[in-house]
Amino acid sequence: SAVISQKPSRDICQRGTSLTIQCQVDSQVTMMFWYRQQPGQSLTLIATANQGSEATYESGFVIDKFPISRPNLTFSTLTVSNMSPEDSSIYLCSAEPPSYNEQFFGPGTRLTVL
Amino acid sequence: GNSVTQMEGPVTLSEEAFLTINCTYTATGYPSLFWYVQYPGEGLQLLLKATKADDKGSNKGFEATYRKETTSFHLEKGSVQVSDSAVYFCALMVYGQNFVFGPGTRLSVLP
Repeated sequence: SAVISQKPSRDICQRGTSLTIQCQVDSQVTMMFWYRQQPGQSLTLIATANQGSEATYESGFVIDKFPISRPNLTFSTLTVSNMSPEDSSIYLCSAEPPSYNEQFFGPGTRLTVL
Repeated sequence: GNSVTQMEGPVTLSEEAFLTINCTYTATGYPSLFWYVQYPGEGLQLLLKATKADDKGSNKGFEATYRKETTSFHLEKGSVQVSDSAVYFCALMVYGQNFVFGPGTRLSVLP
C-alpha cells in the first residue's frame, strides 16, 4: 500500500494569490494524480504527474493555472495560481504504486478563496 | 467513454437498517471496480474492490459483487451504524486509463 500526506490540510487565501500544495508518498511511485473536489461534487482529475515527464492535464485544466512539479518518485506539488473564489475546493493527491490496481489518496487540502 | 452512475442521495437510514447503494457502469475494455468512502472532513479511503466478473469485494461488513451481465457493482451492508455516515463513491479503472468516479452518494445513519 501507500501512505500519502498533504500539506497544508486547509488554507484560506485572498483572491489573486497563489497556493502550493505538497504531496508526499511513503514509497516510490511512478504515477501520481491531482484531483479537485468542488463542494458537494465528485472528484475531477486535474492532471497526471509522472516522474521524469511533463504533467498531463485533463480537458479544462491548464498548466498556467495549475503548475505541477514532480521532482522525484515520492513527492509532487500542485500550485493553484491567481486564485478566485471559484477555486474553493478540496484538492486531493493520489498515487498508484507499482503492481497495485488501485489508487491511494491523501487526506486532501481544503482551500477557501475569499 | 467510461462512466459510472450511482443512485442519487442523500440516503437516510436508521441504525441497523439494510443498505443498498446502486452503481452501474459503462466501460470499454475490462474494468476493475471500486467503492471508496469519504468520511466528513477526510480524504478518500478504499472500501472494497473487485477486479473481474463475479468477484465479490468485502470489507467492514460491506459487500459488492461485480456483475458483468448487468454492468453493476451495488454496495450492500446488512446493518448500518451511525459511524457509516459518509459519502460513498463508486469508481472504475480500465488498465492504462484514468480512474472514473461516480457522483457520490451521501449516507446519513440516524441513531
